[in-house]
Amino acid sequence: DSGVTQTPKHLITATGQRVTLRCSPRSGDLSVYWYQQSLDQGLQFLIQYYNGEERAKGNILERFSAQQFPDLHSELNLSSLELGDSALYFCASSVTWASGLGEQFFGPGTRLTVL
Amino acid sequence: QQQVKQSPQSLIVQKGGIPIINCAYENTAFDYFPWYQQFPGKGPALLIAIRPDVSEKKEGRFTISFNKSAKQFSLHIMDSQPGDSATYFCAASTETSGSRLTFGEGTQLTVNP
Repeated sequence: DSGVTQTPKHLITATGQRVTLRCSPRSGDLSVYWYQQSLDQGLQFLIQYYNGEERAKGNILERFSAQQFPDLHSELNLSSLELGDSALYFCASSVTWASGLGEQFFGPGTRLTVL
Repeated sequence: QQQVKQSPQSLIVQKGGIPIINCAYENTAFDYFPWYQQFPGKGPALLIAIRPDVSEKKEGRFTISFNKSAKQFSLHIMDSQPGDSATYFCAASTETSGSRLTFGEGTQLTVNP
């Protein structure tokens, strides 16, 4: 158990809908990362927050947004869902944002299925 | 330039064998190279990591070899066991990008008893 929790574990929804994925980082970790894992794209970085502020952005679609709250938990919002958004979404956390200074611990993921 | 290329896509070895997984990168700004292990239904977990100022790092049965001039690094698993059967990802990051991880495509390793 990495100490990172993600809810829900599974999510099944229809095209056009909006969903929210939630992540609680390990105690003491200030940085939260979101990754998408799909069969055709592999593991792709979406976005990173550090202590409530957006720190880095990857190939995140405009239909997707995220935020990190004062208690450091994070939410990833996916809207106008398309079939191609079906994937595993992982949250990771680390103590710091600096490369190599903080191991990223991954949560168990949320499996999103868009029908 | 942000890509990390990983090979092979899949690998089957016998127990006790030494599987080797290779990765190559283009971005010379990368300064941290971790390997992650992922079991089915689980999130990736850090296995071992290396910085570009060393050429080799060993942790237990796992060794990273790093060739800075060739921009390549590899994972060796000594005395592999069936329990090592998993998907392995190499990755790279740079401080200037907020330490976001750029992952390789993954290698599905099967260790037969």
